[in-house]
Amino acid sequence: EVQLVESGGGLAQPGGSLRLSCAASGFSFSNYEMNWVRQAPGKGLEWVSYISDSGSTVYYADSVKGRFTGSRDNAKKSLYLQMNNLRAEDTALYYCARIGYDPDDYWGQGTLVTVSS
Amino acid sequence: QSVLTQPPSASGTPGQRVTISCSGSSSNIGSNYVYWYQHLPGTAPKLLIYRNNQRPSGVPDRFSGSKSGTSASLAISGLRSEDEADYYCAGWDDRLSGWVFGGGTKLTVL
Repeated sequence: EVQLVESGGGLAQPGGSLRLSCAASGFSFSNYEMNWVRQAPGKGLEWVSYISDSGSTVYYADSVKGRFTGSRDNAKKSLYLQMNNLRAEDTALYYCARIGYDPDDYWGQGTLVTVSS
Repeated sequence: QSVLTQPPSASGTPGQRVTISCSGSSSNIGSNYVYWYQHLPGTAPKLLIYRNNQRPSGVPDRFSGSKSGTSASLAISGLRSEDEADYYCAGWDDRLSGWVFGGGTKLTVL
C-alpha cells in the first residue's frame, strides 16, 4: 500500500524556518517525481514545488522561490521542504503528493504550518 | 489569482446534472492533460478525472470530463448529497514549469 506521511509542521515566527519531511512507502520512491502542494485556510490548492526522481531538478512556485528549498533522499525514501524567511501567507496545510502518474495519484494527509508572532 | 479559472460556486438538487468549467491557456490546458480533484478541506484530494476524460477505478461514471482547446469541464450527473465538496481542475504548465490549479468550485447539493 502506498503511503505518504508528512511531518515537521508547527508554529513558526515570521522570518523563521521550518523543515517539512515526507516519508514514502509502498512504492519505488526513487523512480518517481514528487511535489509539495499547500492549502491556506479558506483558500484553494496551490502547487509549491516539484522535484525530479533523481533530485537534480527542482521547480518552485513564484510565491516561494528564493525562500523554500526542495530536496530528497532516495535511500531514506524521504522528501523534504526547507522553508526559510517564513511569512504569514505561508500558513497552510502542506501536502506531499505523487501526481501525474496516471491513474495512480497519491497524497499524504498533510502537515500544518502556522506562521505567527 | 489562480492560473486556471473556475467558478467559485455551483449548486444543484439531487438527481440533477451540473457542470464545472475550467479555463486556462495554451501553456497549460492547451498543451497538457487536465485533471479534476474532489476535495474536502483537511483531507487528501481525490483524483476524479485524469488525462482530460479518464476515470480511475472506483470513481462512478456519474463523473465525466472533457476538454476543448484551452478549456475543460467536469460534469456530474445524478447529483447526490455526498457529492458536496470542493472541485479543482489542475494540469502542468509548460511556461511556469509547474503544476497549476484552478481556484476551486464549491459544489452545494440543495
